[in-house]
Amino acid sequence: EVQLQQSGAELVRPGTSVKLSCKVSGDTITAYYMHFVKQRPGQGLEWIGRIDPEDDSTKYAEKFKNKATLTADTSSNTAYLKLSSLTSEDTATYFCTTGQTGFDYWGQGVMVAVSS
Amino acid sequence: DIQMTQSPSSMSASLGDTVTINCLASQDIGNYLSWYQQKPGKSPKLMIYGATNLEDGVPSRFSGSRSGSDYSLTINSLGYDDEGIYHCHQYYEYPLTFGSGTKLEIK
Repeated sequence: EVQLQQSGAELVRPGTSVKLSCKVSGDTITAYYMHFVKQRPGQGLEWIGRIDPEDDSTKYAEKFKNKATLTADTSSNTAYLKLSSLTSEDTATYFCTTGQTGFDYWGQGVMVAVSS
Repeated sequence: DIQMTQSPSSMSASLGDTVTINCLASQDIGNYLSWYQQKPGKSPKLMIYGATNLEDGVPSRFSGSRSGSDYSLTINSLGYDDEGIYHCHQYYEYPLTFGSGTKLEIK
């Protein structure tokens, strides 16, 4: 069974960056596109982007193109989301997700709080 | 970008009721539509994919349908465990988009 394990909660200062990880177990990461989704408190889901770990190609939602960077390390079966120039608008829970018939598998989510 | 207009934003229903949640796509997405259930503090859970296909392990009380660009999630014989937020999601083209969510409360 595929499982996605995300890194722990982060409290970060405005203007800094943070890098979140998502480790895949139960299969090789190259079998899937890895997606990341943002959810602000009490709000809906926003798709950030996806990476194909097979060739490192990426797609981003327009609003995240200067905010998010997706990378993958096939040797550790891990995908990463880096968020830069953090503001209070980036305070949210970030999920990694993947699947074959829709988003079958989800990480547990990681809370990022941006505060001085 | 494809807009997914989801309705209602919230609803309250009684045990045993049947409810329907709707999503209207701003352009053709074929059957590239999925539905997720999310409980407080938890990750979303895939319920329906391909507009009408039930994910393994999901009770048959859940069903999905399509009429043109209108997509519906129907839940029969509501139980307390059905309480949560339901999201629709199109994966027809990038950028992928979600509806705004429907909060379902069981009275």
